[in-house]
Amino acid sequence: GAVVSQHPSRVICKSGTSVKIECRSLDFQATTMFWYRQFPKKSLMLMATSNEGSKATYEQGVEKDKFLINHASLTLSTLTVTSAHPEDSSFYICSARVTGVRDTQYFGPGTRLTVL
Amino acid sequence: DAKTTQPTSMDCAEGRAANLPCNHSTISGNEYVYWYRQIHSQGPQYIIHGLKNNETNEMASLIITEDRKSSTLILPHATLRDTAVYYCIVRVENRDDKIIFGKGTRLHILP
Repeated sequence: GAVVSQHPSRVICKSGTSVKIECRSLDFQATTMFWYRQFPKKSLMLMATSNEGSKATYEQGVEKDKFLINHASLTLSTLTVTSAHPEDSSFYICSARVTGVRDTQYFGPGTRLTVL
Repeated sequence: DAKTTQPTSMDCAEGRAANLPCNHSTISGNEYVYWYRQIHSQGPQYIIHGLKNNETNEMASLIITEDRKSSTLILPHATLRDTAVYYCIVRVENRDDKIIFGKGTRLHILP
């Protein structure tokens, strides 16, 4: 299947700093990528849809100025958590959409963010 | 809102077939049934999807009822590595439908 990578796999930062998470589709091009967050023992919650070359579409309740998304190429989307606070600590997961015969999404391994 | 209903948890003995049910009584004619699973602290993994015919791949089989209101994911010979949360999702293929995750079924494979 298609491979999606994320970097870093885990990050610890101080409150007030910004953190950038990268999501790459390694063996395919993805015009659409998605960002999710997941709290312990909870299901994944969709944050935003990232479209190559255009602005991201955010889900209701997700602050676009807090979670900056850039989809600069067909293989890379980035999520920047600005001025991170402890409540932003979570597991962030991206996915990339494959279209055509087998339309589905492939997910990255996730990034665990801890804000101190 | 999730369009599917799944049991919260299930147990299955190692080596036996794990049968995971999913109800999707309001499924539309052009919506596919997708299955993903998430092993602890990893990203979700695609398993299989289908429209109305039964599907099989190297990981699992998907059985969809004739009225398409329910389906069953079958792991033919469960191993300890199959312990995960399994998500049943309905969406339209080849459209910009987002994957919205429900609570899924937590499958425990017992040694």
